Order: sequence, then structure tokens, then C-alpha cells
Amino acid sequence: DIQMTQSPSSLSASVGDSVTITCRASQSISSHLNWYQQRPGKAPKLLIYAASNLESGVPSRFSGSGSGTDFTLTIRSLQPEDFATYYCQQSYSPPSITFGQGTRLEIK
Amino acid sequence: QVQLVQSGAEVKRPGASVKVSCKASGYTFTSYDIHWVRQAPGQGLEWMGWLNPNSDNTGYVQKFQGRVTMTRNTSISTAYMEVSSLRSEDTAVYYCARPPRVESKGRWLRLSYWGQGTLVTVSS
Repeated sequence: DIQMTQSPSSLSASVGDSVTITCRASQSISSHLNWYQQRPGKAPKLLIYAASNLESGVPSRFSGSGSGTDFTLTIRSLQPEDFATYYCQQSYSPPSITFGQGTRLEIK
Repeated sequence: QVQLVQSGAEVKRPGASVKVSCKASGYTFTSYDIHWVRQAPGQGLEWMGWLNPNSDNTGYVQKFQGRVTMTRNTSISTAYMEVSSLRSEDTAVYYCARPPRVESKGRWLRLSYWGQGTLVTVSS
């Protein structure tokens, strides 16, 4: 099974800051990597698909990059609504998919 | 618009079974796989498996084999996920979810539409 490891597990930042979250796969997954945002008590929301493609309706301050085993999610100019938990998810080994353990983004 | 509406919260005793429903609207139910993901309190997301509403084919994560059953009723556009032999570790919010497009499958699978979640509490 492909394991996904996110870092850091949590981070603190201020409104207006830029942050980067990293996701590492236990083997190469090409660009088959998606990112989700989850606010407390809500279902996850797809942000980025295929490593770097912005889902429709998602603000352009979100961006993704990477391929192979190392991926990043960058959020520029943090807004209050961006403080949430973020998950990466691989789809390289269908039909199975796996999520990273999550990164909690908190207000400093 | 696409909507997935799940059944309400459940409280079950250890050893019992629970069946969560996911009613789809706003699209052709049989055209898209339904996936189930669960989240234990304070924990991350765990994919459980999928159901093809057209063929009735299913696939489950190995750890759930034999204890989880995914079914559907196409006449009412509803998918179901049943967990048997419940234990305390099954306490979680259970989500159904759907890809954005028909071609968003296999290695291009991503989940764009989600139900609101169903909290299942297993407690004696």
C-alpha cells in the first residue's frame, strides 16, 4: 500500500502570510495527487487535483506542485477562512486511494 | 445542482449493525461511482471503498472486507453502506462522496461532491 506522509502536522500563521504544506508518497505516484481542505464539522472540499490543477471555484491563492514522491500545497495571503485542516490524497493505485494524516493550519 | 444527502446520526451497541444512506440528486445516479470515507473523532480521513450504482460492483479496503457492505437502490437514487459487528473503534463520521466527472476515475479519481456526513457512535 502507498503511504502518504504530510508535514508539518500542524502550523500557525497569521492572516496575510504564505504557507507551504508538504506531502510525501512512499513510492512514486507521478502526478496523481489531490489536496482537500476541511473546516471543523464540515465535509472535505477538493482544492487541487492532479498535483497542480485548481478545482473550479477555488481561489487562485491556492496552488499545488510536485510529482513523483514530493508534493506541496501553497497558500498565499492567508485569509481567515483558510484556517482549517488540509489533506493530500493519492489515486495512483486504483481502485484504492489513501489520504495523508492531515495538516492543521491555525491562526497565530 | 448535485447533492448527496445522508441519513441522520446513529447510536449503536457493540456488536450491532448500522446502515447509512446517501441520497443523490441533481444528476444521473447510475453514471458515477459512490465512495465512502470515514473520520474517527479528531482523526484523519479513511477511504473505505466504492460502489458502482450501475453495475452494483463494489470494492472494499481489505480491513473492512466481510464487515462492510455497500449497496444501492437505483429507483430512489440512494446508496447504502452497512457496517456489521460494530466496535468502539467504528465510532466516526461516515461520508459518501462522488467524483466531479465520469472520466474522473482510476488514477484520476478525486472526490468533489460530498454528503454532509453521518455520525455513528458505538457505545455500550
